[in-house]
Formats: sequence, structure tokens, C-alpha cells
Amino acid sequence: DTGVSQDPRHKITKRGQNVTFRCDPISEHNRLYWYRQTLGQGPEFLTYFQNEAQLEKSRLLSDRFSAERPKGSFSTLEIQRTEQGDSAMYLCASSSPYEQFFGPGTRLTVL
Amino acid sequence: AQSVTQLDSHVSVSEGTPVLLRCNYSSSYSPSLFWYVQHPNKGLQLLLKYTSAATLVKGINGFEAEFKKSETSFHLTKPSAHMSDAAEYFCVVSDLRGTDSWGKLQFGAGTQVVVTP
Repeated sequence: DTGVSQDPRHKITKRGQNVTFRCDPISEHNRLYWYRQTLGQGPEFLTYFQNEAQLEKSRLLSDRFSAERPKGSFSTLEIQRTEQGDSAMYLCASSSPYEQFFGPGTRLTVL
Repeated sequence: AQSVTQLDSHVSVSEGTPVLLRCNYSSSYSPSLFWYVQHPNKGLQLLLKYTSAATLVKGINGFEAEFKKSETSFHLTKPSAHMSDAAEYFCVVSDLRGTDSWGKLQFGAGTQVVVTP
């Protein structure tokens, strides 16, 4: 257990539905990262926060994706109008200056 | 832009024999380099990291890696494989601390390790 939790662990949804994932980082960590991992690939960077500020978004993050980190604590990642191509593992990482700690991930399946 | 290339998508070894996982990197700066392991249905775990100190880095579970700037390589080794080493391994690059983008990790495609009895 790294101290980073994600909820839910699994989500099955129908195409066109909206989904929201939550990440609870290690409390003293200022930086929080989101990654996406598709089958057979390494995780890919999506976005990150320094406290409550979202400092960078990948080109992978289309307009259907939005992320927030209110008050610099937990973070949410929402996907609107899901598509089958959104099926993946969504990983959250909480970062100290020396190491990133990954949560267990949320596995999304879009039918 | 920075990137990593893992030269083998699958490696099969016998229990008790050495393991070698190859990784080459590309970076505009002196990078931080990492190896992560991912067991089935489990989260990513840091094996070891290089952050411009000693070029030979020792990690958990008997793994080590050597940073070779001239070859832009960061290969992972273990003298004797154990059945519990069967997993997927990722070579990862990041900018050094102190740069604005430190902490943003660029993963390789992964190497699946199979250990046979």
C-alpha cells in the first residue's frame, strides 16, 4: 500500500455516459499526476497539479476530459460522453520531491 | 523531448539465472531514470532510481541498474531470477528536480518477464 487511494477500482459504463474517478494522494504531497495505461503499453501522462493549480495537460486529454483538485487535496478526473477508446487503466500518482507513489488505478471499460 | 526505448518486449529466463532488461533513453537534459515493476492486478512499484549521483544504482529485491551516459543506456539486471520476479517492468525517464517539469514521467512500452522453473 503506497498511501494513494483511487475510487472506484473498476468501472463499467456504456458508450456516451459520463464517468468520474477520484484520487486521494498522500496528504503532504503538493504534486499529483494522472496517467492512462492501455493494454500492453506503458502509462502515458495526462495532466498534473501543483496544489490546486493544473499546470500541464497532455494532447491526449481531449475536451471530453476534465480534471480538478479543489483545495489541493483529492483530485477528480471526469470523462464526458465516453467512447470505447477511453477503455484503459487510469492511474494517479502522488509526488514527493524524490519519488512518485502510484495508486492502484481505476480500470474503465466502455461497452 | 525525452523518451525511453525498451529493447525487449518479452524476456524469458529460468529460475536462478541472470536477468537483463535493456533500456535506452533520449533526453535533452541530464535526466532522472527509474525502473518500475507492475505485478498482475497490482500497482506500480519503484524498483530503483538514478538522479545524477552514483552511476550504479541498487534497488529492491536484488535488482540493480547502471547509468551509462556515453551509451545512453540504463539496463536493469539481477544475478539470479526468482519466480516472484515474473511481472512487467517499465523503464522511465523524467527531468531532474529543479526543472519545472520534474516528476512528469515518460514510460517505456514495458518488458514482460517470464520466469520458468
